[in-house]
Amino acid sequence: RKEVEQDPGPFNVPEGATVAFNCTYSNSASQSFFWYRQDCRKEPKLLMSVYSSGNEDGRFTAQLNRASQYISLLIRDSKLSDSATYLCVVILSGSARQLTFGSGTQLTVLP
Amino acid sequence: GAVVSQHPSWVICKSGTSVKIECRSLDFQATTMFWYRQFPKQSLMLMATSNEGSKATYEQGVEKDKFLINHASLTLSTLTVTSAHPEDSSFYICSATVRDRMTDTQYFGPGTRLTVL
Repeated sequence: RKEVEQDPGPFNVPEGATVAFNCTYSNSASQSFFWYRQDCRKEPKLLMSVYSSGNEDGRFTAQLNRASQYISLLIRDSKLSDSATYLCVVILSGSARQLTFGSGTQLTVLP
Repeated sequence: GAVVSQHPSWVICKSGTSVKIECRSLDFQATTMFWYRQFPKQSLMLMATSNEGSKATYEQGVEKDKFLINHASLTLSTLTVTSAHPEDSSFYICSATVRDRMTDTQYFGPGTRLTVL
């Protein structure tokens, strides 16, 4: 079983749609959680951190359920510029702060 | 935010040659940097953790003699792919951690696309 698993996608949605991505992690000792965005042939960029209380940044909402070891990302009113691959990222443990990446979910927002 | 640079951004080389990739933290000091590799349509895979002033820590399955890492200063880590072969063609990305208000955030370099002919 992979340490971090994501919806395989791809997701093709019309502009203005609401889309949700899910991610599960296997290690209950995982400490920190993030969503990164990666455009084609570019490096990943931090989209938002994920907290137990949930957090919202504009059209983006992230939630964490530690009991179910589950993370979600909701994008409302999707824009063409939201088209990218969304990576679920977990820091498992240890002082090295190593990131473990999910395989990513590809989103294409269609005009 | 913090900036991490990489050089070169892309390189094409013949099989058997060695390629050095530089990763620099531009406005902060990084005692630890990470090197990742990403094949097409796959996620980033951690190759090694680069520690300033000491030996790198390699992930299982990554040959330390093939992927030489040197972290000689607090702002520079280098990855040398020795005797590169076509199967080493990949997107190599480095990252560094910045601690901000009790939260660690990793910033990534723009990546180096290596093509071995």
